[in-house]
Amino acid sequence: ETGVTQSPTHLIKTRGQQVTLRCSSQSGHNTVSWYQQALGQGPQFIFQYYREEENGRGNFPPRFSGLQFPNYSSELNVNALELDDSALYLCASSRSQETQYFGPGTRLLVL
Amino acid sequence: EDQVTQSPEALRLQEGESSSLNCSYTVSGLRGLFWYRQDPGKGPEFLFTLYSAGEEKEKERLKATLTKKESFLHITAPKPEDSATYLCAVQAPFWAAGNKLTFGGGTRVLVKP
Repeated sequence: ETGVTQSPTHLIKTRGQQVTLRCSSQSGHNTVSWYQQALGQGPQFIFQYYREEENGRGNFPPRFSGLQFPNYSSELNVNALELDDSALYLCASSRSQETQYFGPGTRLLVL
Repeated sequence: EDQVTQSPEALRLQEGESSSLNCSYTVSGLRGLFWYRQDPGKGPEFLFTLYSAGEEKEKERLKATLTKKESFLHITAPKPEDSATYLCAVQAPFWAAGNKLTFGGGTRVLVKP
């Protein structure tokens, strides 16, 4: 059984640019959640996708958006990058409301 | 709004020195409390889910317990490979949209040989 995978592993962008992060969910999982983890802090919920629809959103501005595809993989898009967007972005997949399993994360640095 | 507080922030142990990590929570309706382990620069690794007060789960040197207001992660006779950040999270209640987890800040554990 393949676990959750994310790409790329690392990314460097400059302020104002746009970025797309990708996540492949674990086999059999239909729900993907995205989290932002700043250095030394716990992960913060960005949003969740269930069957290609957004199903819950945290306190993040609209420039954070996402998609889920028919194969349940997902993308996180961030527009107009700010320095504070520098963080580890984590994707987690689950079967509906069950336990979330995390991928290795994408480290984003905004200069 | 759900809140999760973990203590201590950091813990230095000698190999074999048992200890406990605390996770205090306030939620409008607990659906589940989760413990994860996170190594530096990696994603959280699932350890346990607890659903009701009095429940206990064990895995190797780790044991998680749950009361109505807090959870404890007991580390018995730790080894250097137990060094990691341990994260506690609560799951949003059934009536809330989404399956969001609210995390605490984590406890960084360092086990010295």
